[in-house]
Amino acid sequence: QVQLVQSGAEVKKPGSSVKVSCKASGSTFSSYSINWVRQAPGQGLEWMGGILPFIGTANYAQKFQGRVTITADESTSTAYMEVSSLRSEDTAVYYCARQVPAAPGDWFDPWGQGTLVTVSS
Amino acid sequence: SSELTQDPAVSVALGQTVRITCQGDSLRGYYATWYQQKPGQAPVLVIYGKNNRPSRIPDRFSGSRSGDTASLTIAGSQAEDEADYYCSSRDSSGNRWVFGGGTKVTVL
Repeated sequence: QVQLVQSGAEVKKPGSSVKVSCKASGSTFSSYSINWVRQAPGQGLEWMGGILPFIGTANYAQKFQGRVTITADESTSTAYMEVSSLRSEDTAVYYCARQVPAAPGDWFDPWGQGTLVTVSS
Repeated sequence: SSELTQDPAVSVALGQTVRITCQGDSLRGYYATWYQQKPGQAPVLVIYGKNNRPSRIPDRFSGSRSGDTASLTIAGSQAEDEADYYCSSRDSSGNRWVFGGGTKVTVL
């Protein structure tokens, strides 16, 4: 059974950075893309970007291009998502999710438990 | 367009059928995926592909598509089905993902 376990909650100052991890177990890590989705308080889901570990190149939603960096470490089966220049609007729960490829409609399953990032001075 | 549009909220009587819709240009080329999210929990996959359910999802959940609109139907709604439901698909470029705004389902 595939499982994604994320790092714990973070409290950050505006202007700083945060790096959230997502460790996978129970499957071949490198063969599936890991995607990141965030959810601001009381809001909907927002796709941020994803990475296919064995290729190592990430793609991002236009909104996050340049401020978000997604990486993956195959040796530890862990994906990372770093947000820089944090602002209060980045306060959200950040989820990682494994992308299961299929045409013409792949899906995200499973999801990590979520990591709350709070940006406050 | 890379947007998916959902009704914000819908209510259904216990045991009755409810249909949630998701509209967007990308759905002409890609199947919608549906996720259920309960308060304080991570989203859970409910429907994927043409109309497939993970084994843990009851068969009262089903999906369909017509043109640019995808639908999630809950037949015989139960109290535990009360949740937010999100649709998602690749965007029209195929390189990125989009989510609908979510539909809050209340079971009366």
